[in-house]
Amino acid sequence: DQQVKQNSPSLSVQEGRISILNCDYTNSMFDYFLWYKKYPAEGPTFLISISSIKDKNEDGRFTVFLNKSAKHLSLHIVPSQPGDSAVYFCAASARETSGSRLTFGEGTQLTVNP
Amino acid sequence: DSGVTQTPKHLITATGQRVTLRCSPRSGDLSVYWYQQSLDQGLQFLIQYYNGEERAKGNILERFSAQQFPDLHSELNLSSLELGDSALYFCASSVVTGSEQFFGPGTRLTVL
Repeated sequence: DQQVKQNSPSLSVQEGRISILNCDYTNSMFDYFLWYKKYPAEGPTFLISISSIKDKNEDGRFTVFLNKSAKHLSLHIVPSQPGDSAVYFCAASARETSGSRLTFGEGTQLTVNP
Repeated sequence: DSGVTQTPKHLITATGQRVTLRCSPRSGDLSVYWYQQSLDQGLQFLIQYYNGEERAKGNILERFSAQQFPDLHSELNLSSLELGDSALYFCASSVVTGSEQFFGPGTRLTVL
């Protein structure tokens, strides 16, 4: 049972343009969502998070949008840079009921072309 | 650099053997988490410790065990290893339960 899904295994964008990575979830108890970036041979790096009481959170070039009714979140990167090329993981937790365990999506490989 | 350290970086062993993976959390972090990333399963939560006590358990096999010591470092023990245990094992830490988790570089385990 895949509770967090990233339906696009890969995404390719031009430098300077917007990258939009999508994530869907099925567990309505999830109340905290995170995005991580991962380079090969390294651990996931925390990017940005959002609580279920918000619908948007912004940090520099990164913005996460949460649509609770659709059980959907997205990560926008503007402007995209070649150094952003990595695998991006969406993760979720149900802090009230399941503590802090993170449930991860399968990841999306982002390639930013110069 | 997340501040979370893991040793060893690589581990190659044989089926039936036992290994210990070590993790030191970021300074000040009380929670430690273990995750397994295999090719067919993605990143899966194994177990969480908070200030020395087990807090949550995920898809952790009975052959696996973990503990967190008074200095807050943690060890993951894997025994009776099978070929399918080959994976990347990540440790993460957070200040408190429910906040963002910071991951170490991982230990790549290869079981031959």
